[in-house]
Amino acid sequence: GEDVEQSLFLSVREGDSSVINCTYTDSSSTYLYWYKQEPGAGLQLLTYIFSNMDMKQDQRLTVLLNKKDKHLSLRIADTQTGDSAIYFCAERGDSSYKLIFGSGTRLLVRP
Amino acid sequence: DTGVSQDPRHKITKRGQNVTFRCDPISEHNRLYWYRQTLGQGPEFLTYFQNEAQLEKSRLLSDRFSAERPKGSFSTLEIQRTEQGDSAMYLCASSPDSSGNTIYFGEGSWLTVV
Repeated sequence: GEDVEQSLFLSVREGDSSVINCTYTDSSSTYLYWYKQEPGAGLQLLTYIFSNMDMKQDQRLTVLLNKKDKHLSLRIADTQTGDSAIYFCAERGDSSYKLIFGSGTRLLVRP
Repeated sequence: DTGVSQDPRHKITKRGQNVTFRCDPISEHNRLYWYRQTLGQGPEFLTYFQNEAQLEKSRLLSDRFSAERPKGSFSTLEIQRTEQGDSAMYLCASSPDSSGNTIYFGEGSWLTVV
């Protein structure tokens, strides 16, 4: 079945790069997303990547996709304290608008 | 504010009562989604509307849950005879027809059943 896995926690020092990893099982996944959630708030769309792409860059964010290994990563350059939040990876297939989310990775940025 | 709007943001209700949540999508977004999120978990899909048509429903949407989007604009999610297990955040999202890839979420409606 469809499943998305993420590591639970990541701690980095302010100014360093953060890399959050995600694996998924559905080989028909067409779109892969990264969302950010701050405490008590909804989800903020950070970026998404189409499955025929290997990489997408948007300012401090870089998404890498290894479709063969079904592995997705989000790199945040020059991580700031304001980046502390939970980051969710999600996937959806081409024939469905249902997003399948991982359990989220809590990013803690230390000053 | 042109984002997805949800109301109420917080609701405390007694077990057995009915509750209704409202979602106003981003203007001209034809697609609307409901998700549920419990503590420590990612959101889980509940249902999807294309305009006023409900096209996809999760098995999570039991008989006590009903969602509507009568005029293809705002949507309501009603939970009848609430149970403590219904306590969660209910998230609404919307996306435009032209690019269904960009799915934007609202701030969510927190439900606590006591």
